[in-house]
Amino acid sequence: EPEVTQTPSHQVTQMGQEVILRCVPISNHLYFYWYRQILGQKVEFLVSFYNNEISEKSEIFDDQFSVERPDGSNFTLKIRSTKLEDSAMYFCATRGYGRNTGELFFGEGSRLTVL
Amino acid sequence: AQSVTQPDIHITVSEGASLELRCNYSYGATPYLFWYVQSPGQGLQLLLKYFSGDTLVQGIKGFEAEFKRSQSSFNLRKPSVHWSDAAEYFCAVGPMMFSGGYNKLIFGAGTRLAVHP
Repeated sequence: EPEVTQTPSHQVTQMGQEVILRCVPISNHLYFYWYRQILGQKVEFLVSFYNNEISEKSEIFDDQFSVERPDGSNFTLKIRSTKLEDSAMYFCATRGYGRNTGELFFGEGSRLTVL
Repeated sequence: AQSVTQPDIHITVSEGASLELRCNYSYGATPYLFWYVQSPGQGLQLLLKYFSGDTLVQGIKGFEAEFKRSQSSFNLRKPSVHWSDAAEYFCAVGPMMFSGGYNKLIFGAGTRLAVHP
């Protein structure tokens, strides 16, 4: 069964450092998303990405965040200067093309710990 | 405003007992509805989804959910809970109409299920 793959599974970083989280989408999927879940809280939408550009972003997704698909396969989330409150589980999700393909397929998540 | 409400933060049931987790939504258009399960430290696994048609949908692990448009609800049920069902359950809603790069899901706050032996 096709799956979304995320790396790293866990990253510990110092406040102020840059972090890049990587996602390999399901091969024929065209829509990509990042979600965040702070420990014990709900899953929150960060950003959606389609046709090599951001299609929607939340208030959380400020100038410290960026996404790109540099090589046509990996989909990355970059946090330029991490803050303590960025500590969370970050989920990548992807979706196929078509009218009734509303289902998002989620990766296992990347846990980010900012010290 | 679009929102999903899961009124029960924490539910405890005995193994073998029946289970119902509540989900209510507020959405401007006809929605897609989903239930995801998350075991501790793990990702989100899709249990079931409703797009159209029969309002009672069957999912994996013996779960089912019923869409009630009049009540804006999509409650998750299981007739007999197993200890391995202990996890966090999230209800989510998204737009039914294909809309390009959109179709973000809005999640409820989750219901944590504990199962007593």
